[in-house]
Amino acid sequence: EVQLVQSGGGLVQPGGSLRLSCAASGFTFGNYWMAWVRQAPGKGLEWVANIKYDGSDQYSVDSVTGRFTISRDNAKNSLYLQMSSLRVEDTAVYFCARHWATAGTLDHWGQGALVTVSS
Amino acid sequence: AIQMTQSPSSLSASVGDRVTITCRASQGLRNDLGWYQQKPGKAPKLLIFAVGSLESGVPSRFSGSGSGTDFTLTINSLQPEDSATYYCLQDHSNPPTFGGGTKVEIK
Repeated sequence: EVQLVQSGGGLVQPGGSLRLSCAASGFTFGNYWMAWVRQAPGKGLEWVANIKYDGSDQYSVDSVTGRFTISRDNAKNSLYLQMSSLRVEDTAVYFCARHWATAGTLDHWGQGALVTVSS
Repeated sequence: AIQMTQSPSSLSASVGDRVTITCRASQGLRNDLGWYQQKPGKAPKLLIFAVGSLESGVPSRFSGSGSGTDFTLTINSLQPEDSATYYCLQDHSNPPTFGGGTKVEIK
């Protein structure tokens, strides 16, 4: 069974840093792109970043470029999102997901992790 | 970035009704479009991928269609458990973008 288990959310002050983790099991992690998607309270879904199966290519949306870094450790079957210079508007539930990189497909999702940026 | 315009933003329908949700893209997507269902406090769930392919385990009352820039999610015979918010997603080009969502309520 494919599972994505997230950890690392919490409360952080503006300007602070936080790292989210996503532990994968039940599939060959190193064969798949992975992605982070977020959802601000009461709002819709927003793409954050994605990373190629071997880590050789990454993409992040303009609003987080230079502040957030997506990475992966295929030996540990784990995906990460390092967030720095956090802003109040980064407050959201962050989801990791397995991404086919085609066909509009995110076929398995983590449970979500709430990140609250507040003083 | 490709803009995804989803409509309507909300709708109310009765059990057994046929419901249609549309997404219009600002440029052609080939078949790089999927549909998702999200219930409150839960992660989104994949319903349809590649425009019209039904994800395993998803009831057959859900279907997707379209081409080019116009795409549709149809729910035939709406059920109480279909009350949720639905989103389209394109990943034809970076950045992948979601539609704004459609909240479906049961009358």
